[in-house]
Amino acid sequence: GAGVSQSPSNKVTEKGKDVELRCDPISGHTALYWYRQSLGQGLEFLIYFQGNSAPDKSGLPSDRFSAERTGGSVSTLTIQRTQQEDSAVYLCASSPLPTGNQPQHFGDGTRLSIL
Amino acid sequence: GNSVTQMEGPVTLSEEAFLTINCTYTATGYPSLFWYVQYPGEGLQLLLKATKADDKGSNKGFEATYRKETTSFHLEKGSVQVSDSAVYFCALSNAGGTSYGKLTFGQGTILTVHP
Repeated sequence: GAGVSQSPSNKVTEKGKDVELRCDPISGHTALYWYRQSLGQGLEFLIYFQGNSAPDKSGLPSDRFSAERTGGSVSTLTIQRTQQEDSAVYLCASSPLPTGNQPQHFGDGTRLSIL
Repeated sequence: GNSVTQMEGPVTLSEEAFLTINCTYTATGYPSLFWYVQYPGEGLQLLLKATKADDKGSNKGFEATYRKETTSFHLEKGSVQVSDSAVYFCALSNAGGTSYGKLTFGQGTILTVHP
């Protein structure tokens, strides 16, 4: 069956540009999470969606970062006015329920490089 | 807040050696504990999990026991193979409250197994 799909797999852009990263979770998974994996900071939580709402945005590092989820399915993470410190691998994960004991299924990530 | 501490890497072993990767945690309540693995060029995959004290998670010859008294979840394997070379992440999540199952990760341990 289909897993979590992320696109693009790689993105190179110039500092100051906006980027959009897409995540298509496993069908039927109501919980969706975004994480960031970077050399200096390891794996960090960014934002959580339950359906279309985002009860927890506490990990977004600045107001340049935003995310939405439509139809309880696909999610888009947008970074405005990118900075070099935004370079990282952005991971999306989904799970059937946000109950803590449910394992999360991860996509392969989007590797973002800011020149 | 929650935190996870893993032993410093990288770890280099010969094939058939015994593996231990230490993991300790700090958390409120009764978290679920996970080990995730990231093989070269691939995304994060769940390796094993334990959801309550004294539970033992196991998969592919790996084991870890949830020790509440020592707040630990050490990963072990009796005889490693070259194919086990990967990055291993210890993680925890809380059920309920405002945690929504989001994962807190350790910094990751790079394992290299030589023939």
